[in-house]
Amino acid sequence: RKEVEQDPGPFNVPEGATVAFNCTYSNSASQSFFWYRQDCRKEPKLLMSVYSSGNEDGRFTAQLNRASQYISLLIRDSKLSDSATYLCVVNGGAAGNKLTFGGGTRVLVKP
Amino acid sequence: DAGITQSPRYKITETGRQVTLMCHQTWSHSYMFWYRQDLGHGLRLIYYSAAADITDKGEVPDGYVVSRSKTENFPLTLESATRSQTSVYFCASSDSAIETEAFFGQGTRLTVV
Repeated sequence: RKEVEQDPGPFNVPEGATVAFNCTYSNSASQSFFWYRQDCRKEPKLLMSVYSSGNEDGRFTAQLNRASQYISLLIRDSKLSDSATYLCVVNGGAAGNKLTFGGGTRVLVKP
Repeated sequence: DAGITQSPRYKITETGRQVTLMCHQTWSHSYMFWYRQDLGHGLRLIYYSAAADITDKGEVPDGYVVSRSKTENFPLTLESATRSQTSVYFCASSDSAIETEAFFGQGTRLTVV
């Protein structure tokens, strides 16, 4: 089983709609969680950190469920520019400070 | 310029040749990482380093060698390139706190023929 798993998609989303997807992780001792965005195999860039209480950044909302070991990302009012691959990243715990990436979820926002 | 830079950006090499990918960061981050990303897949950790002269294996270290004599540089060497090492290689750096983000270089697209 992979340490971090994501639905590869693609999620085809009409412009203006809401899309949500999850990521599961296997290491219960993981300490920090992130969502990164990657465009067309360019370098990944941090979208947002994920905090235990959940957090929001504009149209993006991230949630962490430690009991079930998953994190989620919700995108509201999707824009064409949101089309990208979203990478779930887990860090810490027994693995130490080495970011472990999921395979990514591809989102395609269409007019 | 501040940041993290990789060189070369593109490289074509022949099977069996040694090739070195360079990574340089200007933030004095303690941690540096090398990942590879194959088409349609996520990033897989090759090697990482917690500080100068400290390196450790990641998920897919076979066929690669790293060194870190200076904090700012973390070169990755393919000792004898194979076609299966054709990939996009990303270098990243972060400071020591687990909660902080990592910053990535622009990647090196390596083709082994």
